Parts: sequence; C-alpha cells; structure tokens
Amino acid sequence: EPEVTQTPSHQVTQMGQEVILRCVPISNHLYFYWYRQILGQKVEFLVSFYNNEISEKSEIFDDQFSVERPDGSNFTLKIRSTKLEDSAMYFCASSVLSLSSYNEQFFGPGTRLTVL
Amino acid sequence: KQEVTQIPAALSVPEGENLVLNCSFTDSAIYNLQWFRQDPGKGLTSLLLIQSSQREQTSGRLNASLDKSSGRSTLYIAASQPGDSATYLCAVLDQGGKLIFGQGTELSVKP
Repeated sequence: EPEVTQTPSHQVTQMGQEVILRCVPISNHLYFYWYRQILGQKVEFLVSFYNNEISEKSEIFDDQFSVERPDGSNFTLKIRSTKLEDSAMYFCASSVLSLSSYNEQFFGPGTRLTVL
Repeated sequence: KQEVTQIPAALSVPEGENLVLNCSFTDSAIYNLQWFRQDPGKGLTSLLLIQSSQREQTSGRLNASLDKSSGRSTLYIAASQPGDSATYLCAVLDQGGKLIFGQGTELSVKP
C-alpha cells in the first residue's frame, strides 16, 4: 500500500542552524502539506502546496520557513535559522484532492526535530 | 476561527467495554471530518473519514457519526482491546483545505 515517507526520523540541531526536512508523498497525489506537533500540544497546520506554489500558510509559517518540490518526488521543508521553539514533530501529508469532501490526507511517520 | 475540542482528555477502560469518544467543532462549514490514531511518538493513522453530507461511517469495530449542524462527532469503539490503547485525534477539513485538529483523547484499555 502506498505511503508517505519522511527522512530523517530524528534530527538534532543547534539553535541558529538551517535544517531541511524531507518527504516523499504518495506518487499520484497532487496536494502536499506540512503540520507540526509540539510535545503535548495539538497538531497544527503549517502550509499547503500545489502546482509548485504555496496554497495557504499559517501564522507560524514565517520568513524562516520555506517549502520546495525540488524534483518529481520529494517535498521539503526548510527552516533557515532554527529556534528552541521550533522543536517539535513535523508531519508531511499528501492528498489527491483539496477543496472537496473526498480530501483524505495521508500522513507520514514524522520527523522529530530537537533544537539545542 | 474554527476550534476543535475533544472530551474526555483521557479515558481508561477494562478490556471488552464499548466506549465513545467525543469531538466538537465551532464552525459547521467543513468538507469532512477525519478520526486518526496516534501511538506514542509515532505518526497519524487515518481511521475513518466522514464526508460533510454523511451521518456515519463504519470500519470493523469502529463507528463514527457526524452531526454537522450541531458541530459534533463521536467515535464508538466496540469490544475494546488492549491494542486499541493510543491517542485518538479528531480533525475537520476547513474551507481552505487544511485540517484543524483537536487535542486528542488518550485511551488506555486494561487487560
């Protein structure tokens, strides 16, 4: 069964460093998303992406964040200068459809980012 | 702004019991509602998706209902098993196509 994959599973970095989190969405999906979950808190939406453009972004997704689909399979989230408060589990998701009741988002296993 | 709330925050039941998890949302303008399972430190596994025009969905021992007008959904788990122990998350798909999550119900099923 097709699934969303994410690498690495755990990333430790120093404050101020750049990190890139990688995702391979399900192959026939067209819409891609990043969410994050700070320990003990709700899962929060960061950004959605379609046709090589950001569709929507949350207030969290400031100038320190960027997303890219560098090739036909990968979808990346870059944090330019990490802060302590960026420590969280980051989930990638993908879906075939978007603004539809049939939009079912499939999630990857997550990357745990620890900023020291 | 859409808010999703789940009660209870935690629930402990003996094996074999039937149980109900509750989810409420403030804005009825949703495309669908999804229930997810999350094991500790792990990703999100989709359990059921209820489209906005549907009233319920069933998968095995799970049954989810949706009352969009009152902003409520329930997840019914029949004959609970220790393997059902996990956190259950409810999420609504808003008009922008993003999921808004509740804080989850942590379920523990004791043998």
